Amino acid sequence: GDSVTQMEGPVTLSEEACLTINCTYTATGYPSLFWYVQYPGEGLQLLLKATKADDKGSNKGFEATYRKETTSFHLEKGSVQVSDSAVYFCALISPYNFNKFYFGSGTKLNVKP
Amino acid sequence: NAGVTQTPKFQVLKTGQSMTLQCAQDMNHNSMYWYRQDPGMGLRLIYYSASEGTTDKGEVPNGYNVSRLNKREFSLRLESAAPSQTSVYFCASSEPTGANTEAFFGQGTRLTVV
Repeated sequence: GDSVTQMEGPVTLSEEACLTINCTYTATGYPSLFWYVQYPGEGLQLLLKATKADDKGSNKGFEATYRKETTSFHLEKGSVQVSDSAVYFCALISPYNFNKFYFGSGTKLNVKP
Repeated sequence: NAGVTQTPKFQVLKTGQSMTLQCAQDMNHNSMYWYRQDPGMGLRLIYYSASEGTTDKGEVPNGYNVSRLNKREFSLRLESAAPSQTSVYFCASSEPTGANTEAFFGQGTRLTVV
């Protein structure tokens, strides 16, 4: 079945460091891929998405590229800020059932000043 | 815009008590979901509703019931709460139109069963 695997956390970085959070997926066909962010005490909110191979999603300095050949959608940011401290979830939606979202287990990011 | 609204935000129950978590969305979405979030487990789907009048089980439905009261509202009921149901519960909604479908989440309900 469809699934998402993302790197375990927590990830601890100093401010202005580079970030990569790995995400790989298993799916039939061409799913849409998402990164959601959850700030402390809040619900999840969409950070970025990509709907086809080689698409790059970007928002708030974060980027992720849909790589069909490696079934990956890694989240990257060149210079993190303390305000980026949150839990990040990779997710996919199947092209055969747009009611089904599959989420990874989440990666907690701590950014120190 | 309110988006997805969940009530209550916090609740403490005694083992065996019952309660209903309420969720409402104002985006006219057809699909609604209930997830639970536990440390190290990510989000697990409890139930979902693809349209008004329909509900389906997710990964972890045991111990829960749901009602899709109308297009706006989707409630989750715990008939006899157990400590294993201590968790953070999220309601979400979406409009499954295609590849750009995305889910919108409420703020969560933190439930403790003692």
